[in-house]
Amino acid sequence: DTEVTQTPKHLVMGMTNKKSLKCEQHMGHRAMYWYKQKAKKPPELMFVYSYEKLSINESVPSRFSPECPNSSLLNLHLHALQPEDSALYLCASSPTGTGSRGYGYTFGSGTRLTVV
Amino acid sequence: AQKITQTQPGMFVQEKEAVTLDCTYDTSDPSYGLFWYKQPSSGEMIFLIYQGSYDQQNATEGRYSLNFQKARKSANLVISASQLGDSAMYFCAMRGIHTGGFKTIFGAGTRLFVKA
Repeated sequence: DTEVTQTPKHLVMGMTNKKSLKCEQHMGHRAMYWYKQKAKKPPELMFVYSYEKLSINESVPSRFSPECPNSSLLNLHLHALQPEDSALYLCASSPTGTGSRGYGYTFGSGTRLTVV
Repeated sequence: AQKITQTQPGMFVQEKEAVTLDCTYDTSDPSYGLFWYKQPSSGEMIFLIYQGSYDQQNATEGRYSLNFQKARKSANLVISASQLGDSAMYFCAMRGIHTGGFKTIFGAGTRLFVKA
């Protein structure tokens, strides 16, 4: 199984809603990532988890709350978002360790989020 | 600080011809990896090819090759025998060791159009 599965594929939410994005992989990868991609822009790193611990937080607003409940799952909890948070949210995973240097990330197909 | 520059917003190529997508980079890391990703309109990022900073030979993966010139800090992607399915956005990316190899940054991207 060489996939990263993201759900839902599309999400429309109001500014007062609470929603969650889900990401799942079964490749045994121990590093998982959340990226945000605005239209016609490159992906921007939000969070990195390594061995289920938060390793990098790129100064993301607290209305985005990541969670890694186990080595296969990564969630992104959303609360009180703004319209400018509308974007494609991509999850990715990769191996870790000294032998992983040449591995690219395996990305999911993303969740297209619209905040109204 | 790390930086990736892709100066071609869009490129056209005739089907079955070769095309070169440009990428230059800047980093103070002594060891780093360079990557190319393809993003079709569906949104998923697809890892294409990797070049390590200490690799003596240019990387190749099927129809993809990476023209690595370390002194010039360039890592151009060459796609041979273009196919209609190659039409997509292409991102050059870099990952250094200073963050444990977890932080990949992306260039602005080049949109490739393959003409029949």
